[in-house]
Amino acid sequence: DTQMTQSPSTLSASVGDRVTITCRTSQDIDIWLAWYQQKPGKAPKFLIYKASTLQSGVPSRFSGSGSGTEFTLTISNVQPDDFATYYCHRYNRYPYSFGQGTKLEIK
Amino acid sequence: QVNLVESGGGVVQPGTSLRLSCAASGLTFTSHAMHWVRQAPGKGLEWVAVVLKDGTNKFYADSVKGRLTISRDNSKNTLYLQIDSLRIDDTAVYYCARDNTGDGGFDYWGQGTLVTVSS
Repeated sequence: DTQMTQSPSTLSASVGDRVTITCRTSQDIDIWLAWYQQKPGKAPKFLIYKASTLQSGVPSRFSGSGSGTEFTLTISNVQPDDFATYYCHRYNRYPYSFGQGTKLEIK
Repeated sequence: QVNLVESGGGVVQPGTSLRLSCAASGLTFTSHAMHWVRQAPGKGLEWVAVVLKDGTNKFYADSVKGRLTISRDNSKNTLYLQIDSLRIDDTAVYYCARDNTGDGGFDYWGQGTLVTVSS
């Protein structure tokens, strides 16, 4: 199976900062990667698909990039509502898998 | 609007079985593959299984193959997950999620149902 490595596991930031989360895969997955945001006690929220396409309604401060084996999620101008845990998810073939998660904390 | 509502969770003993349900509304159910994803307490997301649109083709995570069975009833707009021989490490919130047909990812999620396996 394709292994996924998401980093960092924790990220401290202040409101207004620009932050980047990285997801690496052990095999080429083209652009078949999504990103989600999850807050405690809630279901994940769909942010980005096909590595860089923003889901409808998601603020434009979120962006995704990458292809092949390396991908990034960038949040420019972090807002108070953005402090949460973020997951990457590859869906190039079954079985699907998620990254380990990155918790974005207030500095 | 799309609404996914899971049910069937609870506290169960190891070795027993449980069937989870996910009732879907506000969507054309037969146009989407449907997935189960679980999350153990304090842990990350784990993809569990998918059933494709017509209910014939199913795929599972290696960690659950042989004990979990996904199915769907398109006449009732309902997704199911049968869990047999429950183990302590099956304790998790179980989410159903809709496949973002054509582009991938999971665009709608239920609120989750908690399964606690304890003696």
